[in-house]
Amino acid sequence: NAGVTQTPKFQVLKTGQSMTLQCAQDMNHEYMSWYRQDPGMGLRLIHYSVGAGITDQGEVPNGYNVSRSTTEDFPLRLLSAAPSQTSVYFCASSRTTSSEQFFGPGTRLTVL
Amino acid sequence: AQSVTQLGSHVSVSEGALVLLRCNYSSSVPPYLFWYVQYPNQGLQLLLKYTSAATLVKGINGFEAEFKKSETSFHLTKPSAHMSDAAEYFCAVTTQGGSEKLVFGKGTKLTVNP
Repeated sequence: NAGVTQTPKFQVLKTGQSMTLQCAQDMNHEYMSWYRQDPGMGLRLIHYSVGAGITDQGEVPNGYNVSRSTTEDFPLRLLSAAPSQTSVYFCASSRTTSSEQFFGPGTRLTVL
Repeated sequence: AQSVTQLGSHVSVSEGALVLLRCNYSSSVPPYLFWYVQYPNQGLQLLLKYTSAATLVKGINGFEAEFKKSETSFHLTKPSAHMSDAAEYFCAVTTQGGSEKLVFGKGTKLTVNP
């Protein structure tokens, strides 16, 4: 099993550009989530999904969109990148909302 | 809503010394509690979890944590630090039944000195 995979590993954007961060898992997990990690802030939940076709907002959803058309994939879209979105983004999946979350390796995003 | 407080954003110990990383939680219902570890430039991985069975939970790499309801604490300990333990550690809380999302603390960076 590959577990949770994320692409790309690194990305540099200019302000106003859009892009999609990809996330896929092969563990047949229903629950998937996106976090951003900033120094001294821990992990903050952006969006999450409890199954295909169902998504909801987390703590810091503004400027991001998600969709969940399949169990395996949970892409995160930045609509119009801003410097405040410079961060490390982690995707995670778990069997349920209260079970162990498995994390991807992260995407380091810089917005100039 | 739940919350987690990790006391000390940085902890430094000598190799062979006791490691103690503090975590206090707030939850109005019985919690599930987790400790995750993040090595440099990697994602997070689970160290251990409390899900209302035994209050003393043993995890990987010699770490353990004790759930103390009266103190609303879930501190992480290891009797003897190793250089390879240098990492950032995150405490997280959710509720039994999964009605609430997982909430992370801000993290504690552990440095191990030779």
